Amino acid sequence: DTGVSQDPRHKITKRGQNVTFRCDPISEHNRLYWYRQTLGQGPEFLTYFQNEAQLEKSRLLSDRFSAERPKGSFSTLEIQRTEQGDSAMYLCASSLLADSTDTQYFGPGTRLTVL
Amino acid sequence: GEDVEQSLFLSVREGDSSVINCTYTDSSSTYLYWYKQEPGAGLQLLTYIFSNMDMKQDQRLTVLLNKKDKHLSLRIADTQTGDSAIYFCAETFMNRDDKIIFGKGTRLHILP
Repeated sequence: DTGVSQDPRHKITKRGQNVTFRCDPISEHNRLYWYRQTLGQGPEFLTYFQNEAQLEKSRLLSDRFSAERPKGSFSTLEIQRTEQGDSAMYLCASSLLADSTDTQYFGPGTRLTVL
Repeated sequence: GEDVEQSLFLSVREGDSSVINCTYTDSSSTYLYWYKQEPGAGLQLLTYIFSNMDMKQDQRLTVLLNKKDKHLSLRIADTQTGDSAIYFCAETFMNRDDKIIFGKGTRLHILP
């Protein structure tokens, strides 16, 4: 397994368009997390899944954002009616519930630019 | 509340040791992490320490934890140009497995 992968790596879109990002976690990791990172800041938590269940959503996740993990493996994050303020790096991470260190392993991120 | 503070910038000569410091406010943290982020890349886990430990060493990396002062540090021995990156301090909490709290990161610049 090569780690967490994300697709696309870069996305440029016009304001008002919808975008969808995909994350493939490390095989057999049952937890999957989405974070957003803006310039000069650390990552901020958005939401997380345990298997296919979405267990937590941050206040940062407006109604325009939706995340799914239908089969408990890969996840998608959709942003509807994008705004310029949505421009950021979107990071995905995964972890194994049985891992007592609770270590999250991060993907390379999807950089979104909203024009 | 939860807050993780780091200095934003550190400049070190190649071959010297780098010490990156972090303070946190929530004493209920369970694990504290150091992540490395190179330009345009995701986060790479460097090392972690359990909150009941004082020190952890892993090759060139030494993590020191002062739980009384809520202070965490990362020492990189014999700093190399490949160590140039942003280093994030982060923490998780017992029974709150939903998120990691990150600092804003310390940019490490290596001087020749």
